[in-house]
Amino acid sequence: DIQMTQSPSSLSASVGDRVTITCRASRSLTRYLNWYQLKPGKAPKLLIYAASSLHTGVPSRFSGSGSGTDFNFTISSLQPEDFAIYYCQQSYDSSLTFGQGTRLEIK
Amino acid sequence: QVQLVQSGSELKKPGASVKISCKASGYTFSNYALNWVRQAPGQGLEWMGWVNTNTGYPTYAQGFTGRFVFSLDTSVSTAYLEIRSLEAEDSALYYCARHEGFHYGMDVWGQGTTVIVS
Repeated sequence: DIQMTQSPSSLSASVGDRVTITCRASRSLTRYLNWYQLKPGKAPKLLIYAASSLHTGVPSRFSGSGSGTDFNFTISSLQPEDFAIYYCQQSYDSSLTFGQGTRLEIK
Repeated sequence: QVQLVQSGSELKKPGASVKISCKASGYTFSNYALNWVRQAPGQGLEWMGWVNTNTGYPTYAQGFTGRFVFSLDTSVSTAYLEIRSLEAEDSALYYCARHEGFHYGMDVWGQGTTVIVS
């Protein structure tokens, strides 16, 4: 299976900050990398698919970039509702795998 | 609207079985595969596998073979996850989620079903 490594595992930031999360794959994904948001008591949400495509209805402050083995996820200006856990997930290989998650907390 | 609605929380004893349902609505059931994802307490998301809603053919991730069974009832647009011979380590939140093509992410998720084995 393809291993996914996210960093950092946790992050403290303030409303209005720009934050970036990194995801590294154990082998090339071309651009088949997705990002999800998870909040307690709520269903996970797909935010970004295929590395940089914004899922329907997702605010434009969320963005993704990268290809191959290295990918970034950025929130340009944090809003109160963005404090959550974020996961990357590879979909290059049909045996799907997630990163370990990044907890984004209020500073 | 498009949604996946899962069955309610379960409390089971070790050795028992549990069957979780995931009912789809608002879209053509057979156009999207159904995935199952586990989140153990304090842990991250773990993909368990998926079921082809056209053929019913399941694909299981490593670590989810044997005691885990994916099934469908296409007449009611519902997928099922059955876990047999429950162990304490099966205590977790289980999600279903659809994908149209696996390359492009799981775009609609159920609300999750908590299974407690105690």
